[in-house]
Amino acid sequence: DIQMTQSPSSLSASVGDRVTITCRASQGISNYLAWYQQKPGKVPKLLIYAASSLQSGVPSRFSGSGSGTDFTLTISSLQPEDVATYYCQKCDTAPRTFGQGTKVEIK
Amino acid sequence: QVQLVQSGAEVKKPGASVKVSCTSSGNIFIRYGFHWVRQAPGQSLEWMGWINPASGDTRYSQKFQGRVAITRDTFASTVFMELSSLTSGDTAVYYCASEMEVPTWPAGHWGQGTLVTVSS
Repeated sequence: DIQMTQSPSSLSASVGDRVTITCRASQGISNYLAWYQQKPGKVPKLLIYAASSLQSGVPSRFSGSGSGTDFTLTISSLQPEDVATYYCQKCDTAPRTFGQGTKVEIK
Repeated sequence: QVQLVQSGAEVKKPGASVKVSCTSSGNIFIRYGFHWVRQAPGQSLEWMGWINPASGDTRYSQKFQGRVAITRDTFASTVFMELSSLTSGDTAVYYCASEMEVPTWPAGHWGQGTLVTVSS
């Protein structure tokens, strides 16, 4: 099975900072990658699909890039409401494995 | 507006089985695949399996193979996830999620989650 590895596992940044989270697949998955945001005690929410397409209603400060094995989620200007854990997920074939998550906090 | 409504919290004894339901509304039920994902307390999301509601075809994580069954009732627009031989390690929130009709068919709609507690 293809493994998904995220880094870092956690980060602390100031409001207004640019934040970057990476996700690496152990084999190429083309652009079959999604990013989810999960706030404490809440249901996961789709942010990005097809590696770089912004889900409707998601603020434009979120963006995704990458293809093949290496992917990035960027928050261009971190806001207090962005405190959450972010997960990548492969969306090609089963199993649709998740990364282990990146916890984002405000410094 | 797509809505997924899951059944309520369950408390089970070790060795028992649990069956969680997920009822969909707001779209054409048989058109979109459904996934089951679980999250143990303080842990990451874990993909368990998937069902094509039109055909009933399923795919399961190897970790749960032989212990999980995902089924559907097309007339009730409902999918089910049954997990057997429960242990304390199965204590988690279980989510259903349906695919969206956009490129790569991500799981864009999620149920509210069902807490399953396994305790003697």
